Amino acid sequence: AAGVIQSPRHLIKEKRETATLKCYPIPRHDTVYWYQQGPGQDPQFLISFYEKMQSDKGSIPDRFSAQQFSDYHSELNMSSLELGDSALYFCASSSRLNQETQYFGPGTRLLVL
Amino acid sequence: AQKITQTQPGMFVQEKEAVTLDCTYDTSDPSYGLFWYKQPSSGEMIFLIYQGSYDQQNATEGRYSLNFQKARKSANLVISASQLGDSAMYFCAMREGVIYNQGGKLIFGQGTELSVKP
Repeated sequence: AAGVIQSPRHLIKEKRETATLKCYPIPRHDTVYWYQQGPGQDPQFLISFYEKMQSDKGSIPDRFSAQQFSDYHSELNMSSLELGDSALYFCASSSRLNQETQYFGPGTRLLVL
Repeated sequence: AQKITQTQPGMFVQEKEAVTLDCTYDTSDPSYGLFWYKQPSSGEMIFLIYQGSYDQQNATEGRYSLNFQKARKSANLVISASQLGDSAMYFCAMREGVIYNQGGKLIFGQGTELSVKP
């Protein structure tokens, strides 16, 4: 079965640089979520989109923005990167037809130097 | 206030034995869902099992079962016949219903690191 695809899988950036993370949800899933998981932490919700519209916003810094495109893929844009942004970033997708179970992608491991 | 609490930072179990991972939650929403995810050392987050607040029976998925005690607000994961490949971090998560959570985000517990010994 198709899974959530994230790219890149690993990313190394310098402080103050920008990064763009991409997510391709499971086909026919209508909701996309972004989570950030710091080292030794549980995942923290950043933002979600339902049918290409932002549906909820969590603890996402103003330096970050995200959108969902007409083909349902989503991108998380991160600017002015800080050392503390080093984390594992997950994209997840769900369908309201399946109890909204969120299936996670493999994650993008971002390291800010 | 912590909405999802996993009180066991680490657990050990002997291969082929059963193990219970604890999870308690707190919500005022009558409609919610409870999830368990497994995160191996490689980092991916693997969905294991789901329990809805209105489900009458405890959820089961293969070797995984969820011991749902609504009055106690607990949703413990039971893994039967543990295997070496079960060694991982396990997260309990909750999704509150439409009243409190338009977007459906998950709130995670702190996780329990399970080690299966041969």
